[in-house]
Amino acid sequence: DGGITQSPKYLFRKEGQNVTLSCEQNLNHDAMYWYRQDPGQGLRLIYYSQIVNDFQKGDIAEGYSVSREKKESFPLTVTSAQKNPTAFYLCASSIGPDSYNEQFFGPGTRLTVL
Amino acid sequence: DQQVKQNSPSLSVQEGRISILNCDYTNSMFDYFLWYKKYPAEGPTFLISISSIKDKNEDGRFTVFLNKSAKHLSLHIVPSQPGDSAVYFCAATSNNAGNMLTFGGGTRLMVKP
Repeated sequence: DGGITQSPKYLFRKEGQNVTLSCEQNLNHDAMYWYRQDPGQGLRLIYYSQIVNDFQKGDIAEGYSVSREKKESFPLTVTSAQKNPTAFYLCASSIGPDSYNEQFFGPGTRLTVL
Repeated sequence: DQQVKQNSPSLSVQEGRISILNCDYTNSMFDYFLWYKKYPAEGPTFLISISSIKDKNEDGRFTVFLNKSAKHLSLHIVPSQPGDSAVYFCAATSNNAGNMLTFGGGTRLMVKP
């Protein structure tokens, strides 16, 4: 049963702590993406990776870091430098980085920083 | 500067009637448009798309219309069902965007039984 998994579903952290959100896909997709959704707003791109060992900044990369050591995994670290980390984080993947490839989304992780 | 806008944050429709969700864009380079549906605490799921070479694409109860001169697209759902109640996101991309999607802010659709 192929898909994208994100864990955990809910995450609480104290201010000033780094936290890593997991994203795994078994769809054999080359491209993976991280988005952030805030209440009443659309999805904003944080980072994306078109192939293993390569990634690019999206529109709001400040305060975040990623790695892409394996094709199926694209973890996102929310660092203490991110000023407003509380949000709903969505991971997505697509067959490749070419245009018009449908992006498939995971169930999301809601991060709350106390 | 928001390149994709959904000006109606919410829409309420009676079951069986038509739902019309609107989306405007400013970037004339966009040539492919998608609609995603999202339930609370879940990831968005792809619904329907349209290329700029078309002005209409239909899939069952869902039809997307594109007016390039007005930089406007709309999603029609006929007939609307209570299970259609969700947030709908419009997204756009272009041939040279490397599959990067630009999303609108979403419209919450509520279909009343």
